[in-house]
Amino acid sequence: EAQVTQNPRYLITVTGKKLTVTCSQNMNHEYMSWYRQDPGLGLRQIYYSMNVEVTDKGDVPEGYKVSRKEKRNFPLILESPSPNQTSLYFCASRGQGHTEAFFGQGTRLTVV
Amino acid sequence: AQSVTQLGSHVSVSEGALVLLRCNYSSSVPPYLFWYVQYPNQGLQLLLKYTSAATLVKGINGFEAEFKKSETSFHLTKPSAHMSDAAEYFCAVSDLDGGSQGNLIFGKGTKLSVKP
Repeated sequence: EAQVTQNPRYLITVTGKKLTVTCSQNMNHEYMSWYRQDPGLGLRQIYYSMNVEVTDKGDVPEGYKVSRKEKRNFPLILESPSPNQTSLYFCASRGQGHTEAFFGQGTRLTVV
Repeated sequence: AQSVTQLGSHVSVSEGALVLLRCNYSSSVPPYLFWYVQYPNQGLQLLLKYTSAATLVKGINGFEAEFKKSETSFHLTKPSAHMSDAAEYFCAVSDLDGGSQGNLIFGKGTKLSVKP
């Protein structure tokens, strides 16, 4: 089954404690991206990757890092989380051309 | 650059009534347009997509959307709302700019409520 898998689904952490949210896709897609979703603000892109070892900033990259060492994985790293990073995070992947994007189930992060 | 605007952050309809969710796009070239649905506590799921093959696009769960170039619109409709349609709906357009091709640009979403 084609899918994008994010882990964990829920995470509560403390300010400053480094964390990683993993994302993996099994569709051999070149393109992957991370979004955060906040009430009233819709989906805002954090980072995206056009292919292995190619990453670029989205609209709200501050406080986040990503890496793309393998085609299937695109982890999101918060080196020093802060309360304003409390949000719902989605990973997505997309093949070449203007095909549909596939989304993970989301990670609800709370930073206290 | 491409963009989408969804009119109405909240729409409420009665069960059995027509659902109309509005989306207008901005693009200097023929766009690739999508509607996604997000049910509570879930990720986004594709409802339908427009890729220039036909102006009336049929999707899942009885939804359809019509591409109108003259109005730069891609409104989502369903003839008869069901309680299970309560969700948030997002319109999106493919980013056609060279450096960021592959990106989807999303509207802010419309939350649909269905009253019994």
